[in-house]
Amino acid sequence: AQKITQTQPGMFVQEKEAVTLDCTYDTSDPSYGLFWYKQPSSGEMIFLIYQGSYDQQNATEGRYSLNFQKARKSANLVISASQLGDSAMYFCAMREGNNAGNMLTFGGGTRLMVKP
Amino acid sequence: ETGVTQSPTHLIKTRGQQVTLRCSSQSGHNTVSWYQQALGQGPQFIFQYYREEENGRGNFPPRFSGLQFPNYSSELNVNALELDDSALYLCASSEATGVRGYTFGSGTRLTVV
Repeated sequence: AQKITQTQPGMFVQEKEAVTLDCTYDTSDPSYGLFWYKQPSSGEMIFLIYQGSYDQQNATEGRYSLNFQKARKSANLVISASQLGDSAMYFCAMREGNNAGNMLTFGGGTRLMVKP
Repeated sequence: ETGVTQSPTHLIKTRGQQVTLRCSSQSGHNTVSWYQQALGQGPQFIFQYYREEENGRGNFPPRFSGLQFPNYSSELNVNALELDDSALYLCASSEATGVRGYTFGSGTRLTVV
């Protein structure tokens, strides 16, 4: 079974609008962390936002927020006020366990394209 | 603080050859992980090094091997290259006791012909 599922291969959004990128996950570990990364064409994975499984509040980082629905095992990324520079691949990832040394499991990614 | 640097940025090798990729971890980070990202896919975990020892490995054959040095930099070695090894190889460093800190490099794009 896929541990991280991103069902949207590609998304378009109009500049200045908000967009939601979907991510569902599967784990039996009660302690886990969820990450979103942005990958522009240069290849570097840029950290955007993190949500721990025990965090009570949804994570926010500037224009990025994470809609964490634990019972549904979803961790959708919301980007507000989209900018042309947001065009990139976006990956959801999970770390199981509470040791930062554990591996990340990535989804297949969503390509976001921002239209002017 | 410096980020994660990888070298070389691009590489072309012939099937059957061997390759070594290098990674310098972010200052203060003692754990290095390597990932393989095939075109159009998400990264796949290869292995991780902590204090110069491999402490986790993904579903990759033994011809993928690595090293970590006392300064926490790392190498990924791939022997007997196959065409399917063509991919972007990403290095990520982190603190062993941190919670969030995975910093990725820009990767090495390997093409096997």
